[in-house]
Amino acid sequence: NAGVTQTPKFQVLKTGQSMTLQCAQDMNHEYMSWYRQDPGMGLRLIHYSVGAGITDQGEVPNGYNVSRSTTEDFPLRLLSAAPSQTSVYFCASSSHSFSGANVLTFGAGSRLTVL
Amino acid sequence: AQRVTQPEKLLSVFKGAPVELKCNYSYSGSPELFWYVQYSRQRLQLLLRHISRESIKGFTADLNKGETSFHLKKPFAQEEDSAMYYCALSGRGTSGSRLTFGEGTQLTVNP
Repeated sequence: NAGVTQTPKFQVLKTGQSMTLQCAQDMNHEYMSWYRQDPGMGLRLIHYSVGAGITDQGEVPNGYNVSRSTTEDFPLRLLSAAPSQTSVYFCASSSHSFSGANVLTFGAGSRLTVL
Repeated sequence: AQRVTQPEKLLSVFKGAPVELKCNYSYSGSPELFWYVQYSRQRLQLLLRHISRESIKGFTADLNKGETSFHLKKPFAQEEDSAMYYCALSGRGTSGSRLTFGEGTQLTVNP
């Protein structure tokens, strides 16, 4: 049981380049999400998904795309990287519920630098 | 809108001293509150949640709806408590798993 797996762990991009951060979970969790972690700003929600085929925007969605074609995978795409997207990115998943909050399981993080 | 505020970015105490990490929130309904912790070179993980009313690693947190606070407390800090702590809120009626995090408090426990 690997939990939540993120790849790559580190990436350096040039402004304007595109890339995809991969996230996979093997816990059959319905809910998956992407956060970015910046000093002094905590974790901010980028996008989330409550099941395959369903995605929605979080607090800071601009510049990022997501899709959820399977329960297991939730990739995050940067279409045209900008220096403001330099950050540590975390994927997290949980069982889904509208009636009560469930505990998030986090990946190890992906550190992205945009030059 | 829901918001979580952790007023202290850095907190430094000596081993054996009491520690309190502050968390204030704003939410119009009935929230669920959490504390998550990130130890050095480890993944972010749940420390405790208010509905469980439990003590984890000697930490407790009480939800004060009147003051809209959920402060994390430990009577005697240990060096292994040094970590980044995040307070988080989930609002009922939204996706239960969608959490809003505070800015985080870096706790350092000195020997």
